[in-house]
Amino acid sequence: GESVGLHLPTLSVQEGDNSIINCAYSNSASDYFIWYKQESGKGPQFIIDIRSNMDKRQGQRVTVLLNKTVKHLSLQIAATQPGDSAVYFCAENINFNKFYFGSGTKLNVKP
Amino acid sequence: SQTIHQWPATLVQPVGSPLSLECTVEGTSNPNLYWYRQAAGRGLQLLFYSVGIGQISSEVPQNLSASRPQDRQFILSSKKLLLSDSGFYLCAWAGEDDEKLFFGSGTQLSVL
Repeated sequence: GESVGLHLPTLSVQEGDNSIINCAYSNSASDYFIWYKQESGKGPQFIIDIRSNMDKRQGQRVTVLLNKTVKHLSLQIAATQPGDSAVYFCAENINFNKFYFGSGTKLNVKP
Repeated sequence: SQTIHQWPATLVQPVGSPLSLECTVEGTSNPNLYWYRQAAGRGLQLLFYSVGIGQISSEVPQNLSASRPQDRQFILSSKKLLLSDSGFYLCAWAGEDDEKLFFGSGTQLSVL
C-alpha cells in the first residue's frame, strides 16, 4: 500500500508569499521522489524530482528539500501566484517500476 | 516528443455493464505503463503496471483487469462494473531509462 503521507490537506497563502508543502514517507528504501501539480479535472503534471543522494534541488521558483534522517520531503514555491493554485502530490519510487502517491495538499492562493 | 493519449474523457456507465478504457503512448518504445485511480479529493492509487507486452502486475485485488496487447497500448477493463469503480482513472508512462512518470488527461468514470 501507499507509504507516503502529507501533513496538511489544505494550505492558503497570500499571492507573492512563499509556500511550503510537506510530505512524509515511511519506506527508507525509496530512492527517488517527485512532486506533481494537479489542476481540477486534469492529470498530474511533473514539477521537480530529487534522488536520495541529494538534499536539495532547485527549479524555476520551486525548490525540493529531502531529509532522509526523518524521511521528510518538502516543496517550496517562491512568490506564489494565482496560477499555482492546485493540489500538490509527492510520490516516491520504490523498486524503480512503482510510484506511490500521498493524499495531496490543496494550495489556495489568495489575491 | 512523447505524448500520451487517454480516452474517453468522461464516461457514465450503469452498474453491471462492461468497461474498456484505452491509453496509447507515442514517441517512445518499451515504456513502463501504469493505471491509477483517484477518488474525489483523494490521492492516486496504483492499480496496474506493465513493463512490457503481456506483462501485467496488479497492485490491489479488484473488479478490474488490465492488458497490454501492443508495446504502447494499455487497456483497463471490467466485465461488470460496480458502484465503487467510480473515479478518475489516469494512465501514465515512464521511459525505460527514465524514472519520471508522465500522465494522461484522465477519464472520469461514473457508475450509476
